[in-house]
Amino acid sequence: DGGITQSPKYLFRKEGQNVTLSCEQNLNHDAMYWYRQDPGQGLRLIYYSQIVNDFQKGDIAEGYSVSREKKESFPLTVTSAQKNPTAFYLCASSPTGLVSGELFFGEGSRLTVL
Amino acid sequence: AQSVTQLGSHVSVSEGALVLLRCNYSSSVPPYLFWYVQYPNQGLQLLLKYTSAATLVKGINGFEAEFKKSETSFHLTKPSAHMSDAAEYFCAVRGLRTNAGKSTFGDGTTLTVKP
Repeated sequence: DGGITQSPKYLFRKEGQNVTLSCEQNLNHDAMYWYRQDPGQGLRLIYYSQIVNDFQKGDIAEGYSVSREKKESFPLTVTSAQKNPTAFYLCASSPTGLVSGELFFGEGSRLTVL
Repeated sequence: AQSVTQLGSHVSVSEGALVLLRCNYSSSVPPYLFWYVQYPNQGLQLLLKYTSAATLVKGINGFEAEFKKSETSFHLTKPSAHMSDAAEYFCAVRGLRTNAGKSTFGDGTTLTVKP
């Protein structure tokens, strides 16, 4: 089945540690996105990528980094510079050129900083 | 710039009652509009979308939404609530010219269904 796989689903981190969240898609989509979700605040865009080897900052990119070396993969690193990293992280993808433009989401990764 | 406002962070209805979740948008160009549903600790799933083909859009699970340009609204309705409809619902907007996919989401509305 085609879809987006995020791992790990739950992750605990000590303060000062970097962590990397994985996102893999087999939908052959060009565009991929990372969102952060906090209670009562909806989804906020961290980074997005329209093509391989290119990505842009979203609204809350500080303290995060990404790479896009392969079309199907878009990992997110939460660095120690992120002041409040505890949140639910969602990866999404969409095909560029599709008129409807809906996003396809993974199941999410919940990061807790101890 | 585009934005979305969902009126009411929590809505509670009885099973069998009408569901009405409100969404107003702001966009400088004709938008694409979406409703997504999220169950606890899961990702978002598309319920329905407006892409200018028809103002009344039907989605999955008996939901529908009507695009009203004059009111800049895209409210989500369902005639009869079911217990399984309890979830969080997000309205989102995407501008036609921003094919980069920078969707803007509302803050979400949590729907509770009482037996």
